[in-house]
Amino acid sequence: NAGVTQTPKFRILKIGQSMTLQCTQDMNHNYMYWYRQDPGMGLKLIYYSVGAGITDKGEVPNGYNVSRSTTEDFPLRLELAAPSQTSVYFCASSIGQGMNEQFFGPGTRLTVL
Amino acid sequence: DQQVKQNSPSLSVQEGRISILNCDYTNSMFDYFLWYKKYPAEGPTFLISISSIKDKNEDGRFTVFLNKSAKHLSLHIVPSQPGDSAVYFCAASGATNKLIFGTGTLLAVQP
Repeated sequence: NAGVTQTPKFRILKIGQSMTLQCTQDMNHNYMYWYRQDPGMGLKLIYYSVGAGITDKGEVPNGYNVSRSTTEDFPLRLELAAPSQTSVYFCASSIGQGMNEQFFGPGTRLTVL
Repeated sequence: DQQVKQNSPSLSVQEGRISILNCDYTNSMFDYFLWYKKYPAEGPTFLISISSIKDKNEDGRFTVFLNKSAKHLSLHIVPSQPGDSAVYFCAASGATNKLIFGTGTLLAVQP
């Protein structure tokens, strides 16, 4: 099992550009999450999904969109990138809610200039 | 409003000694607590968890203690090894089932 994979590993965007961060998991987990981690800070939840076709906002959703058309994939879309979106983005998945650990991908380091 | 706080940004410990990482929380509705370990350029990996119905959970060299009245939990690593050097995040969840993370503590275990 590859677990949770994310692409790309690194990306530099210009202000106003758009991009999609890809996330795939092969553990057949229903729950998937997107977090961002800013320097010296903890992880903040951007969006999450409880299953294919169902998504909901987390703590910091502004400037992002998500979709969940399959169990495996949970892409994160940035429209009109801004310097404030410079961060490391982590995708995670879990079997369900409650007392279930989340499995994280390796992260995507995004810089917006 | 930081609901989960790790007040020590860093900790340095000698190999073989005990490492104690602390975490405080403000939301009394949290009922599940986790510790994650993170190496540079990698995603966090789950280390150990504890439910609010317990006050201690042990897994090998790692023990988590929960003091609900003080809203405090701690992670003990005994004995500490150089490979334990990483950033440790405390996280908590409650009725919403969303994880709230602390800001992390960088542990350096000196050989």
